Amino acid sequence: AQTVTQSQPEMSVQEAETVTLSCTYDTSENNYYLFWYKQPPSRQMILVIRQEAYKQQNATENRFSVNFQKAAKSFSLKISDSQLGDTAMYFCAFMKHGRDDKIIFGKGTRLHILP
Amino acid sequence: DAGVIQSPRHEVTEMGQEVTLRCKPISGHDYLFWYRQTMMRGLELLIYFNNNVPIDDSGMPEDRFSAKMPNASFSTLKIQPSEPRDSAVYFCASSFMVQSGSYTQYFGPGTRLTVL
Repeated sequence: AQTVTQSQPEMSVQEAETVTLSCTYDTSENNYYLFWYKQPPSRQMILVIRQEAYKQQNATENRFSVNFQKAAKSFSLKISDSQLGDTAMYFCAFMKHGRDDKIIFGKGTRLHILP
Repeated sequence: DAGVIQSPRHEVTEMGQEVTLRCKPISGHDYLFWYRQTMMRGLELLIYFNNNVPIDDSGMPEDRFSAKMPNASFSTLKIQPSEPRDSAVYFCASSFMVQSGSYTQYFGPGTRLTVL
């Protein structure tokens, strides 16, 4: 069974700094997808970034980028020039390719951006 | 598109009462998911549908929970009778297959349920 581990329950950084959130996963699959979701205090789950395992190039969305290390089964999220609005719970998630569409979520990392 | 719509946003009820949560997925999406989020257990998948058909309900905690999807634009999650331990935020999400063959789930705003 697939598992997703986020080893940092909580982090705090100063505004404008760069922060990296860690995520590791365990799977025997070769084709799969990885996601980072953000959950701000409003509770809304917002997709931040997505990575297809067959792509070697790391996904990037504005200030958000990932470091995808397939062999190490690592999928970290880097937030550059952090902003107060980035304060949220961040969930790493895994989904294998195919008809089974269940996403496996990690426990989350609570990120505080300090003014 | 308005995104995934859930109602009500907040529900407070007394133990033993029936609770019905509602979800309208994004138009054109063919998968619908129900999740429950608590501090203790995190985000749990309860059930999901494909083309209105339940595919996997192994996450449904007890027979008190039931879910239906009578058509492509509406789903309900019902708890009868409700218990205090059912207090949680319930999310609905929908997804569709993109050209690459992958799916991305889009979440609704959630329903915060409190059972007294």
